[in-house]
Amino acid sequence: DQQVKQNSPSLSVQEGRISILNCDYTNSMFDYFLWYKKYPAEGPTFLISISSIKDKNEDGRFTVFLNKSAKHLSLHIVPSQPGDSAVYFCAASATPPGNEKLTFGTGTRLTIIP
Amino acid sequence: DGGITQSPKYLFRKEGQNVTLSCEQNLNHDAMYWYRQDPGQGLRLIYYSQIVNDFQKGDIAEGYSVSREKKESFPLTVTSAQKNPTAFYLCASSSDLPFTDTQYFGPGTRLTVL
Repeated sequence: DQQVKQNSPSLSVQEGRISILNCDYTNSMFDYFLWYKKYPAEGPTFLISISSIKDKNEDGRFTVFLNKSAKHLSLHIVPSQPGDSAVYFCAASATPPGNEKLTFGTGTRLTIIP
Repeated sequence: DGGITQSPKYLFRKEGQNVTLSCEQNLNHDAMYWYRQDPGQGLRLIYYSQIVNDFQKGDIAEGYSVSREKKESFPLTVTSAQKNPTAFYLCASSSDLPFTDTQYFGPGTRLTVL
């Protein structure tokens, strides 16, 4: 049972445009959500997170939106740059961050077209 | 430089042999984790440890074993009982302080069982 779902395995976006990556979850106990970026043969790097008490968190070009009623979150990258080409994982936790057990989605491969 | 190291980056073993993957961190983190990544799948939790001399099974612990004798080290042994050991293995760590950045990942070890 996949509790965190990323239904788009891949996404291509023109450089300079907005990239929108989506993530859905089924476990209503999840209250903390994270996005990780991963290059091939490397470990994931933390990108941005959001707690369920918020509906938006912004960090530079990256913004995460959370819709709790729809159990949906999205990551917006604007403007998209070639270095953003990577696999993006959505993750969720049912405990406060720190020592948390994360459940990951299957990832979305983002390709930025120059 | 603070971080997580995993060695080796690539590892080959014959079927039926046990193999131990190394993970060391100098971030003074209490919690450490082992994940496995397979093509088209998200990261799946194998084992995690929140404190020295204690660890818990994750979602796919069968065929694996761990130890946590030191805070800095969390080695993972892939035993001959693991039916599909070929995968990319990722180690992570996190602080136990609430509302801090979440898990930091090592560079990963790609294990191929021949």
